[in-house]
Amino acid sequence: HLQLQESGPGLVKPSETLSLTCNVSGDSISSSSYYWGWIRQPPGKGLEWIGSIYYRGSTNYKSSLKSRVTISVDTSRNQFSLKLTSVAAADTAVYYCARHVKGGYSAYPFDYWGQGTLVTVSS
Amino acid sequence: DIQMTQSPSTLSASVGDRVTITCRASQSISTWLAWYQQKPGKAPKLLIYKASSLESGVPSRFSGSGSGTEFTLTISSLQPDDFATYYCQQYSDYSGFGQGTKVEIK
Repeated sequence: HLQLQESGPGLVKPSETLSLTCNVSGDSISSSSYYWGWIRQPPGKGLEWIGSIYYRGSTNYKSSLKSRVTISVDTSRNQFSLKLTSVAAADTAVYYCARHVKGGYSAYPFDYWGQGTLVTVSS
Repeated sequence: DIQMTQSPSTLSASVGDRVTITCRASQSISTWLAWYQQKPGKAPKLLIYKASSLESGVPSRFSGSGSGTEFTLTISSLQPDDFATYYCQQYSDYSGFGQGTKVEIK
């Protein structure tokens, strides 16, 4: 049974870098059929796809976040990570990691999700 | 970027009601559309993909239709467990979500 679990600091200061890791258990992150993505949700608001990564390292990012986002994968640890630089209050959100079927550059529907982790940007 | 607009933002309904939620895309996305259900404090749950395909394990009272720029999610007979917020997602061009529709108890 596939499980995803986000981890990382719950509080980040403005202008600093947000770093989160998603640990995948119950299946290999090196599956050829899937991408692994990050989605966020500001408190009381809607969902925003951030980006996705394939186990070989190829990435796709939302255009408006591309300059600040890096997603990486560590197949030996069966995990992938998110870095978001120069954060501001608007980056305060619940951050989810999730899996989607491989399909070109688009983030196909997410069928497995982590429980989410709240990251607050504040001094 | 493709913009996704859901209507209504909030919907009040009773158990047993037939409920329809609309999602409109700013340009054609063929049938590259998914629907999710989200309950407070929980991750979204995939209900429908490819506009009308039911995800495994999802009750058959949920159905999706549409193509191009206009899509609908229908719950044929609303159950107590269905009170939640619903989101559409386009995956024709990268990805984007609608702003959500909250289905509340009337």
